[in-house]
Amino acid sequence: QVQLVQSGAEVKKPGASVKVSCKASGYTFGKYEINWVRQAPGQGLEWMGWMSPNSGNTDSAQKFQGRVTFTRDTSINTAYMELSSLRSEDTAIYYCARAVSGFLEHYSYYMDVWGKGTTVTVSS
Amino acid sequence: SDELTQPPSVSVSPGQTASITCSGDKLGDKYVYWYQQKPGQSPVLVIYQDNKRPSGIPERFSGSSSGNTATLIISGTQTMDEADYFCQAWDNSVVFGGGTKLTVL
Repeated sequence: QVQLVQSGAEVKKPGASVKVSCKASGYTFGKYEINWVRQAPGQGLEWMGWMSPNSGNTDSAQKFQGRVTFTRDTSINTAYMELSSLRSEDTAIYYCARAVSGFLEHYSYYMDVWGKGTTVTVSS
Repeated sequence: SDELTQPPSVSVSPGQTASITCSGDKLGDKYVYWYQQKPGQSPVLVIYQDNKRPSGIPERFSGSSSGNTATLIISGTQTMDEADYFCQAWDNSVVFGGGTKLTVL
């Protein structure tokens, strides 16, 4: 079955970086973009950006530009999200999700499969 | 990107119909998607392209969209439907609503 398996929880100090992995299985990795979404404790969903596993192209929300990097290793069907200069406000669950996109009456873009999330705690 | 506005909370009695709205500028020109998230779990897609249900989602979940407002409708609400619901649209990037906590009591 289609699934995204994320790496385990991380505890980081302020100023450090964290790299979260997302291993895809059950489908052709290169055919769907991978999105990253985070959720701070008790808060809503916050979109961080996407990466095309096929081309390596990426885009990120303006809030994270300069601080987030999306990469992939197609040999092992794995996507990565690295967030640098961590601060306490980055404490959250980080999800990867597969995106389905295409043109119909409007442009369609949504996430149909989600990983279980990776908890990142930033604390001194 | 445009913002999507949802009511923070909605309450419904078991067996009744719950409606959760999502409003945003020119929302009628975009597709709207809905995700359900139960405590400690990842979001699950329950409606895509305004009114389509993914495989495995019960028929009691439906969606509509008109003008600047999209609505998630849960008919015959069950206690298992108690969760947070988030709407999402595409506006040159992914945009989420703030979420609505549905209470079934």
